[in-house]
This record gives sequence, structure tokens and C-alpha cells, in this order.
Amino acid sequence: AQSVSQHNHHVILSEAASLELGCNYSYGGTVNLFWYVQYPGQHLQLLLKYFSGDPLVKGIKGFEAEFIKSKFSFNLRKPSVQWSDTAEYFCAVMQSSGNTPLVFGKGTRLSVIA
Amino acid sequence: DTGVSQDPRHKITKRGQNVTFRCDPISEHNRLYWYRQTLGQGPEFLTYFQNEAQLEKSRLLSDRFSAERPKGSFSTLEIQRTEQGDSAMYLCASSLGDGRAIDTQYFGPGTRLTVL
Repeated sequence: AQSVSQHNHHVILSEAASLELGCNYSYGGTVNLFWYVQYPGQHLQLLLKYFSGDPLVKGIKGFEAEFIKSKFSFNLRKPSVQWSDTAEYFCAVMQSSGNTPLVFGKGTRLSVIA
Repeated sequence: DTGVSQDPRHKITKRGQNVTFRCDPISEHNRLYWYRQTLGQGPEFLTYFQNEAQLEKSRLLSDRFSAERPKGSFSTLEIQRTEQGDSAMYLCASSLGDGRAIDTQYFGPGTRLTVL
């Protein structure tokens, strides 16, 4: 069975600090990878996704993620966070063999302080 | 708003009562998913539909849970004889499901269920 691990439960950063959130998955086959974000009081929104091609993918609001197949990782990065990035971030994986349901990690809560 | 909508947004019920939630997917989306999210956890898959056909059910979906999508548009999720352990956020998502190799799921705001 697939599983997704997000290493950090809660990350606290000052504005302008750099961000990296870890995500590792366990699945032997080809996968599609996603990062979703949930801002306070709002629903889950897609931040970025990786299907194939360039392993460095860029998403909305200056976020990017790098797929490293050998490490089964898909870490999320942002060079300079803003207070408005305060949210919960979820990594998710889907088998690429079909449009199967997403398997999510437990999420990482990011708090950005001024 | 053309996103996924869910109704109600909040539901408080007493243990043993039945509840029903509704999800309206994005127009022309053929796939519809139900997930459950509890505090401190990511969403967990419950079941999904391709048009009106229910394709897969998670083992999390006990016999007390039933989902339908009768005309391939909106879907309902019913929980019978609710238990306190059913308290959670129930999320609905939809995707094109038109046979493309890759699909992106779009989520609704969720229905928060509290069982007293």
C-alpha cells in the first residue's frame, strides 16, 4: 500500500525566511505527486503537481517542488515566505496507472511570523 | 462560484441518528471522490464514482456508510446510526475523468460533522 510521510508537523518561520517541507512516499511504481494547501478557514487548493518531465515543478505563489526519484521525495520549497503563507500543507501521491484516489500525508502546519 | 460545493457546511447530531451530506461537483466533471479528514490527519479516501458508477470503496467505509450518485451529477453520502468516531470533516472532490492520463482533483469546502 502507498503511504506518504511528511516529516515536519509544525514549522515556524519568520517572514523572508526560506522554506523547505519534506515529503517522502512509499510506492514502487510510477507516481503522480501533488502539494495541496489549506489556508485558515478555506478548502484544499492545489499548489503544484508533478506528472512527468522536468523534476523541478513550479506552482502558484512562488512555490516549487523537486521530484527526486531515487529518494522517493517531493519536497516543497519557497525562497522567501510571507505572512500570508501561513497554512497547512499536504503532500499527496497518486498511482500513475490510472486516476486512482489520492493518498495524503498528515500535513505540515506552517506559521509565518512577522 | 463554479467550484465544488457541499451542503451542509456543519452538522451536529446525536449518536444513533442518521445524517446525509450532499456534494455538487464542478460541471462536466465525471469523477467524484469522498474523503474524510480528522484532526491532525490528512484526508483519507472513502469512495469514488465515475459518472454514476461507484468504482471503489475504502475499508474505512463501514456498512453504516452509503454513497450514491444517481444521475452522475451530485452525490450524497449517508451515515446511519452515527457514532462519536464518525466526527470528522467530510470532503468531496471532483475531476474531469475523461480518459486523460492524468487528472487533478478539486476539493470542496467540506462538511464538518460533530456527533454528540
